[in-house]
Amino acid sequence: RKEVEQDPGPFNVPEGATVAFNCTYSNSASQSFFWYRQDCRKEPKLLMSVYSSGNEDGRFTAQLNRASQYISLLIRDSKLSDSATYLCVVKEETGYALNFGKGTSLLVTP
Amino acid sequence: GAGVSQSPSNKVTEKGKDVELRCDPISGHTALYWYRQSLGQGLEFLIYFQGNSAPDKSGLPSDRFSAERTGGSVSTLTIQRTQQEDSAVYLCASSSWTGESRSGYTFGSGTRLTVV
Repeated sequence: RKEVEQDPGPFNVPEGATVAFNCTYSNSASQSFFWYRQDCRKEPKLLMSVYSSGNEDGRFTAQLNRASQYISLLIRDSKLSDSATYLCVVKEETGYALNFGKGTSLLVTP
Repeated sequence: GAGVSQSPSNKVTEKGKDVELRCDPISGHTALYWYRQSLGQGLEFLIYFQGNSAPDKSGLPSDRFSAERTGGSVSTLTIQRTQQEDSAVYLCASSSWTGESRSGYTFGSGTRLTVV
C-alpha cells in the first residue's frame, strides 16, 4: 500500500495556541482525505473530511494541495481536550481501504 | 445498534491457541473493515467486506488469519495458532461507503489481544 507520512511529534503547545500538522501522501491518484483523532487507548474517530477547496469546522481548518500531495490541519485556540493523536487518512482511487498515517501526537498544556 | 460493537474487549491467550474476535457493525452498514494496531504503530489494514463477500483480503498477514461475515452483519476474525507478534489491538469499522462516499468509518472500541 502507498505511504502516508506524518511528523510523529510530540507537539507540546500552551492553551490558546495555534498549531498546524502536515501530512504527505505518495499516491497521486488518491481520492479522499480525512483527519481522524485518536485518544490514548481508544479507537480512532473521524474529525473531519478534507475537501479540495479547504474546509473549516469550528476551530479546525483542513487544507489539501493535490499538486504537492500535501494535507494540513490547523487548530486554533487550542484546548486541553485537544490533546490526542491526529491521524492523516487517505483513500486511493482504486481499492477499498483507508490508508492511515502513524499519527501526530499533540499535548496541550495549561 | 447505535455503534460498532466488538467482543471481547480484552483477550489473553497462550501461544499456539486459536482465537475468535467478533464485530457487530452499525445496522445497515454494508461495508466492514478489520484493522490492527500494534503498540506505537499505525493502523494496518487486514480485510474488507462488502456484504458477505471480501473483495480485498490483501492485508491478512498469513494463512493463520481468516475472516467471515454472515447475513451482511456480524463478522468474525479468526487467528489460528497464535504467535506473540499477533499481540495488538484489533479494530473493526463499518461504513455506508459505496465507493464514492466521503463519510469515513466508524470504529469499534477494539479487542486488545495479548499472546503470552
